[in-house]
Amino acid sequence: AQSVTQPDIHITVSEGASLELRCNYSYGATPYLFWYVQSPGQGLQLLLKYFSGDTLVQGIKGFEAEFKRSQSSFNLRKPSVHWSDAAEYFCAVGALISNFGNEKLTFGTGTRLTIIP
Amino acid sequence: EPEVTQTPSHQVTQMGQEVILRCVPISNHLYFYWYRQILGQKVEFLVSFYNNEISEKSEIFDDQFSVERPDGSNFTLKIRSTKLEDSAMYFCASSESGGRQETQYFGPGTRLLVL
Repeated sequence: AQSVTQPDIHITVSEGASLELRCNYSYGATPYLFWYVQSPGQGLQLLLKYFSGDTLVQGIKGFEAEFKRSQSSFNLRKPSVHWSDAAEYFCAVGALISNFGNEKLTFGTGTRLTIIP
Repeated sequence: EPEVTQTPSHQVTQMGQEVILRCVPISNHLYFYWYRQILGQKVEFLVSFYNNEISEKSEIFDDQFSVERPDGSNFTLKIRSTKLEDSAMYFCASSESGGRQETQYFGPGTRLLVL
């Protein structure tokens, strides 16, 4: 069965500093990988997704993620964080629901990002 | 921008009571999902729904749970007899079509507390 591990429960960075959030996955086939962000009181918003091709994917809000098959990782990065990036970040892997063609998502436990001035 | 909405935002109920959580998916979407997150734990898949039938359900989704699309806009999750361990944040999601590359759009969630 598929699984996702986010080893960092809480990360604090200074505004303007770079950020890397770690994600490791386990999936038997080609993984479809996602990063979602949740701000307080909001739903989960998709930041970016990886299906195939270029292993460095660009997302919204200046985020990017790199897929490394050899390390089973899909780490999220941002070169310079803004106070508005403070939120909970979730990594997820999609598993195909056969016969219907859609996905069910398996999430990690999330990483809470705090930004200090 | 279209969004998934959920009502209520918070619900408190007594153990053994029935609750219905409501979702309005994005209007042209065809695939619908419920996920839940128990406090401090992972977001977990509960069920997916397409063409008026369940396409997949998790082990969590037992006989106490049911889903319905009662009209052209709403998608509901019913818990027949709530237990303490049903306390969680419940997220509804929808996607336009069934391809693996389709994005699931999530609502803001309903926080359910069972006393």
